[in-house]
Amino acid sequence: AQSVTQLDSQVPVFEEAPVELRCNYSSSVSVYLFWYVQYPNQGLQLLLKYLSGSTLVKGINGFEAEFNKSQTSFHLRKPSVHISDTAEYFCAVSGPEYSSASKIIFGSGTRLSIRP
Amino acid sequence: IAGITQAPTSQILAAGRRMTLRCTQDMRHNAMYWYRQDLGLGLRLIHYSNTAGTTGKGEVPDGYSVSRANTDDFPLTLASAVPSQTSVYFCASSVDRGGTGELFFGEGSRLTVL
Repeated sequence: AQSVTQLDSQVPVFEEAPVELRCNYSSSVSVYLFWYVQYPNQGLQLLLKYLSGSTLVKGINGFEAEFNKSQTSFHLRKPSVHISDTAEYFCAVSGPEYSSASKIIFGSGTRLSIRP
Repeated sequence: IAGITQAPTSQILAAGRRMTLRCTQDMRHNAMYWYRQDLGLGLRLIHYSNTAGTTGKGEVPDGYSVSRANTDDFPLTLASAVPSQTSVYFCASSVDRGGTGELFFGEGSRLTVL
């Protein structure tokens, strides 16, 4: 069975500082990996996804993530954060053998708070 | 573009009452989903529908029912609400049932059961 762990429930950073939000997954087979962002009082929206190919994936708003198969990780990074990045970030995992979005498993979320 | 519309946005409900959360999408997506979001637990899938006329159970289906009479609407019903169903409920859709696709979410319905 697949699972996903977000190691930090909260990450406070100063504006313009770099940030890394950690995500580890467990799966015995191929995976699809996703990062979603939830701004206050809104639904989730897709930041980026990894299906195959290049392990470095670029998303919206300057975020990127790197798929590391040996470490079973998919950490999200941004070199310089802005106040508007304040949100909750969810890592999610699925896989080709499941072939259904109903099998997407979400992590518990990381709340990113930006300090001026 | 509206995307997914959920109603109500917020509701306080007495235990034992029946409640239906409405969800409508205008993207002609085949698949739709209901999640609940609880602090520290992330999103958990309640029910899903891969296409109109079919539904399936997710991770936490007990106490909830859904129907999918047409492509656009996917209501979630709590037959007899209990306090443990206090949560934020999100409706989502995807173009099809495939796990590679993007999920599109509504803005959520905050339900409090007293």
